[in-house]
Amino acid sequence: DAKTTQPNSMESNEEEPVHLPCNHSTISGTDYIHWYRQLPSQGPEYVIHGLTSNVNNRMASLAIAEDRKSSTLILHRATLRDAAVYYCILRGRDDKIIFGKGTRLHILP
Amino acid sequence: NAGVTQTPKFRILKIGQSMTLQCTQDMNHNYMYWYRQDPGMGLKLIYYSVGAGITDKGEVPNGYNVSRSTTEDFPLRLELAAPSQTSVYFCASSSDRPNQPQHFGDGTRLSIL
Repeated sequence: DAKTTQPNSMESNEEEPVHLPCNHSTISGTDYIHWYRQLPSQGPEYVIHGLTSNVNNRMASLAIAEDRKSSTLILHRATLRDAAVYYCILRGRDDKIIFGKGTRLHILP
Repeated sequence: NAGVTQTPKFRILKIGQSMTLQCTQDMNHNYMYWYRQDPGMGLKLIYYSVGAGITDKGEVPNGYNVSRSTTEDFPLRLELAAPSQTSVYFCASSSDRPNQPQHFGDGTRLSIL
């Protein structure tokens, strides 16, 4: 089973920030938190990852709770092209990488 | 940059036929994975491999076989196709370091009629 829990779907208005939550209460100390997104009719693509500290890159920001049991992917200014399914996964010593159902993000123009 | 290449992109099979989905990567990654994705659903892990000659079952291995004779290639075999195997199949690869991402192919859309 997936080690993460995400809302099934979320909506946001275009040009507004989006906060996508992920719960991972059973995370171990060596697990990295990875986020991927899947655009319609495409394979998943890497967005960002982190271990303990918050992370920023050109696509998004990742905020990690102090106890690491949850994290939030932040899209600072959503566009219509950000409409996708977003997956939060844990990657650690276990070689298996299990995806959950992800969050389907709808962007309203 | 080729990355992860999957062939074919589309295929229609009849029930009971066999086929092999091909996956190759040029990033010298040790880890490779096969996932299936049914319409409107998330990805399910079928099989994975941590290196040449080593494979292991994922969440939904029944009806599939894999082999890993080289670092680059990780083919997925369907021996007796069934309608329940109609899905989109994604191959992925990664290094063995947990702070490195997976790289996905574009997928193979398989219909079994």
